[in-house]
Amino acid sequence: GENVEQHPSTLSVQEGDSAVIKCTYSDSASNYFPWYKQELGKGPQLIIDIRSNVGEKKDQRIAVTLNKTAKHFSLHITETQPEDSAVYFCAASILDDYKLSFGAGTTVTVRA
Amino acid sequence: NAGVTQTPKFRVLKTGQSMTLLCAQDMNHEYMYWYRQDPGMGLRLIHYSVGEGTTAKGEVPDGYNVSRLKKQNFLLGLESAAPSQTSVYFCASIPYGGLPLNTEAFFGQGTRLTVV
Repeated sequence: GENVEQHPSTLSVQEGDSAVIKCTYSDSASNYFPWYKQELGKGPQLIIDIRSNVGEKKDQRIAVTLNKTAKHFSLHITETQPEDSAVYFCAASILDDYKLSFGAGTTVTVRA
Repeated sequence: NAGVTQTPKFRVLKTGQSMTLLCAQDMNHEYMYWYRQDPGMGLRLIHYSVGEGTTAKGEVPDGYNVSRLKKQNFLLGLESAAPSQTSVYFCASIPYGGLPLNTEAFFGQGTRLTVV
């Protein structure tokens, strides 16, 4: 099955700085890569996703990049704000398989 | 629109006791999932269902059973709870189909289960 590794496990950044979280996956058949944000006491919520026919996708302050050859994808958060403090999960799947394999999560803390 | 609702939110069980976690979704989604979340291990898939009356094993199914008698409900059962099943359990649902494929997973708020 799919194995997703996520780094770092914790990340502390100064407000206004950028944050980068990196993930690798093992199954070359995976073609869908979402990122979920989990706030304290809540369930994860989708913030951005990318499909394998695209190398980069951006939505306001967040962006995701995908390198299919290296089986590597990353989440970039620019101009971080206190409300960006949360646990972030990367995931991978085959689009019509509908089963997500998640990374271990990254706890992001934005310092004021 | 409630989305995905999990019941209960917290529970403490003694080793050997049984219980059922209920997940209900009001979005008419076909696919439903049960995950467990443990520190440093992310979300691991326990069981899932691709439609009413169907169930399938995920990554960590041992010690759990599930049923999907109605499309909107997905039940997770623990027949004989063990301390290793102490975890936070999340239910999720995904709609089926659409072009492009609609793949966003909607999660409940979680059930924190402690087995002593």
